[in-house]
Amino acid sequence: QVQLQESGPGLVKPSETLSLTCTVIGGSVSPYYWAWIRQSPGKGLEWIGSIYYTGSTYYSPSLKSRLTLSLDTSQNHASLKLSSVTAADTAVYYCARDVDGSATWGAAFDIWGRGTMVTVSS
Amino acid sequence: QSVLTQPPSVSAAPGQKVTISCSGSNSNIGKNYVSWYQQVPGTGPKLLIYDNKKRPSEIPDRFSGSKSGTAATLGITGLQTGDEADYYCGAWDSSLRCYFFGTGTKVTVL
Repeated sequence: QVQLQESGPGLVKPSETLSLTCTVIGGSVSPYYWAWIRQSPGKGLEWIGSIYYTGSTYYSPSLKSRLTLSLDTSQNHASLKLSSVTAADTAVYYCARDVDGSATWGAAFDIWGRGTMVTVSS
Repeated sequence: QSVLTQPPSVSAAPGQKVTISCSGSNSNIGKNYVSWYQQVPGTGPKLLIYDNKKRPSEIPDRFSGSKSGTAATLGITGLQTGDEADYYCGAWDSSLRCYFFGTGTKVTVL
């Protein structure tokens, strides 16, 4: 049974870089896309971006200028870096596996982590 | 700012059926597959439907999905108290090159 575990600091200061890791437990990062999705308090789900096990990426246009996704196949984990954060980036951040394998026209997220709450505040 | 619109809430009595609509456009639902997710408050989302109408093996057949043109529908039959949750549709938008989740629908079992 594949499980995902997000980890990272729960508090980040404005203008700094938010860094999170998603560890894949009981499975391999290949041959899937891995997505990051966030949910602001009391709000809906927002797709951040997806990364393939080969390293190819799709980013949300609204976050692209601040976002970097990476994957470490040897460590079996995915990483997210979001720079110049503001209070609007306060959210629960989830990583999820894209079962479809397209990241685009057929994307569907079948395994989700429990999420990690990140608060942006000084 | 989602491009996929859902009703804010639906409700029905136990054992009844509810349907949740997801309205989009030619660049998202009209062109790409739709998936549906259930989120119980305080937990992560669960995939219910993918590729418009396929169910993961662990999802009971009380949940069904369909798509017509630029709209998709999730149906839940034999409503149970455990079905109380928020439900989201999702699809890729080929023009905006972004994956969108719907605005979300809260299901209440009366």
